[in-house]
Amino acid sequence: GENVEQHPSTLSVQEGDSAVIKCTYSDSASNYFPWYKQELGKRPQLIIDIRSNVGEKKDQRIAVTLNKTAKHFSLHITETQPEDSAVYFCAGGTSYGKLTFGQGTILTVHP
Amino acid sequence: DTGVSQDPRHKITKRGQNVTFRCDPISEHNRLYWYRQTLGQGPEFLTYFQNEAQLEKSRLLSDRFSAERPKGSFSTLEIQRTEQGDSAMYLCASSLAYEQFFGPGTRLTVL
Repeated sequence: GENVEQHPSTLSVQEGDSAVIKCTYSDSASNYFPWYKQELGKRPQLIIDIRSNVGEKKDQRIAVTLNKTAKHFSLHITETQPEDSAVYFCAGGTSYGKLTFGQGTILTVHP
Repeated sequence: DTGVSQDPRHKITKRGQNVTFRCDPISEHNRLYWYRQTLGQGPEFLTYFQNEAQLEKSRLLSDRFSAERPKGSFSTLEIQRTEQGDSAMYLCASSLAYEQFFGPGTRLTVL
């Protein structure tokens, strides 16, 4: 089955800096890679996703890159703000099927 | 609110008791997923439905766990003879295509 590894487990940045979170996956059949943001006590919220036919996708301050050959994908947040502080999860899966999540990254943005 | 809803939000039970949770997906979403999340971990897949058909169950799901989606709309997850290790947040998600949207979860505490 799929195995998703996520690093780092914690990330502390100053407001305005960039943050990068990296994930690797094991199953070459995986073709869908979403990222979720989860604030304390709240539900995971989808912030961006990428499919395997695309190498990069950007939405305002958030971007995701995918390297299918190396089986890794990354989340990039630019111009971080205190409200970006949360736990971020990457996930991998096949279209319409189950998702396998990484262990999570606690992002703290200091004002 | 047209998002995924779950009931109850919190459940405290004694070891050995049976519990049942309900999930109402986003209207017209034909896929419904159950995940379990423990503190500091990413959501872990339990099972999923396409309409009323249960298409996959995790090997982690013991025979004490059963899920149904009788009319292809809401779903129930039942845990029989609860154990302390069942304490977790039980999350439901629904999708129409790739994106999975999560509900607020049911937090189960087994005493």
